[in-house]
Amino acid sequence: AQSVTQLGSHVSVSEGALVLLRCNYSSSVPPYLFWYVQYPNQGLQLLLKYTSAATLVKGINGFEAEFKKSETSFHLTKPSAHMRDAAEYFCAVSDPGGYQKVTFGTGTKLQVIP
Amino acid sequence: NAGVTQTPKFRVLKTGQSMTLLCAQDMNHEYMYWYRQDPGMGLRLIHYSVGEGTTAKGEVPDGYNVSRLKKQNFLLGLESAAPSQTSVYFCASRLLGRDNYGYTFGSGTRLTVV
Repeated sequence: AQSVTQLGSHVSVSEGALVLLRCNYSSSVPPYLFWYVQYPNQGLQLLLKYTSAATLVKGINGFEAEFKKSETSFHLTKPSAHMRDAAEYFCAVSDPGGYQKVTFGTGTKLQVIP
Repeated sequence: NAGVTQTPKFRVLKTGQSMTLLCAQDMNHEYMYWYRQDPGMGLRLIHYSVGEGTTAKGEVPDGYNVSRLKKQNFLLGLESAAPSQTSVYFCASRLLGRDNYGYTFGSGTRLTVV
């Protein structure tokens, strides 16, 4: 069975500081991995995805994530936080093939302090 | 605008009442999903569908039924609502393909059962 663990339900950073949101996965086969962002009272929006191509994946809004098989990690980073980045972020995993059901982590709320 | 539309956006039900949540997508996506989102638990899959006329159970299907009579619509029904079904419900859809393109989400339905 596949699963993801997001370390830290709440993360606070100062505006302009590095953003690092942690995600570790468990999967029996090489997975597909995703980061989604949810702004208040909205649905989830895809930030970026890893589907076995380049291990460093660039997404929207200046975010990127690196797939590290040896560490079973897919951490999300952004060099400089902006106030508009305040949202909840979800890491997700799916196994290639089959119906590719996606399993979501429990989410990390990012607070950006002015 | 193309996308996933959920109706209603808000609803308050009394225990024992029934209701149907509608999800409509105009992107010709084959796969559709219903998730519920609860604080600290991320998104949990209720039911999903891989095509018109087909449905399958997800992680937390009890108390819910679904139907997909048309490719563009996926209905979620609660026959006898319970307070434990108070949640935010998200519908998502995805295009069939070799690589996982990620989900497109609706904006959610906030349901309160009193």
